[in-house]
Amino acid sequence: QVHLVASGGGVVQPGGSLRLSCAASGFPFSDYGMHWVRQAPGTGPEWVAFTRYDEGYKQYSDSVKGRFTVSRDNSKNTLYLQLSSLRTEDTAVYYCAKSRYSKADLGDWGQGTLVTVSS
Amino acid sequence: EIVLTQSPGTLSFSPGERATLSCRASQSVNSDFLAWYQQKPGQAPRLLIYGASSRATGIPDRFSGSGSGTDFTLTITTLEPGDFAVYYCQLSGDSPFMYIFGQGTKLEIK
Repeated sequence: QVHLVASGGGVVQPGGSLRLSCAASGFPFSDYGMHWVRQAPGTGPEWVAFTRYDEGYKQYSDSVKGRFTVSRDNSKNTLYLQLSSLRTEDTAVYYCAKSRYSKADLGDWGQGTLVTVSS
Repeated sequence: EIVLTQSPGTLSFSPGERATLSCRASQSVNSDFLAWYQQKPGQAPRLLIYGASSRATGIPDRFSGSGSGTDFTLTITTLEPGDFAVYYCQLSGDSPFMYIFGQGTKLEIK
């Protein structure tokens, strides 16, 4: 059974940094590309970042490009998202997710971790 | 840039009724890359439909997806109390790389 547990959220001031983690279990983590998706209060989900299984291909949304960095440690079955130069508009629940049936879907999600950017 | 539009923003139905939710793309898309999700308060989105019409494992056959080109539909027959939630359509692509969501339709009890 796929299990994704995100952690590392908290309250941070504008301009600050934070690192999120996503611990994965129940599937061969090193075989799967992984995503970060966020959801600001009262809005729909917004895809943020993707890393291929081997970190050889990464993509970011325009809203976070140059500020956020996705990485992974396959030996620890863990996905990371380094958030830097944070803005108030980055306030959201951050989910890690993976495809289930094809690369087109986001079939499996973690429970999310809340990041609040506020002075 | 492709935009997914879900309208209306809120639909009101009674349990037992049939609901039809719409998702319209701003240009023709490959239906293989269209998915639907259900989200309840405090929970992560749950995949219902992938490839526009294939049900995810464990999803009741009351849920069905259809459509092609620019117009896609999620149909829920015989609504149950647990079906009242927010529903999102989502499109992915390689060139450009994207995963985009519609703004959602809230299904509420009448």
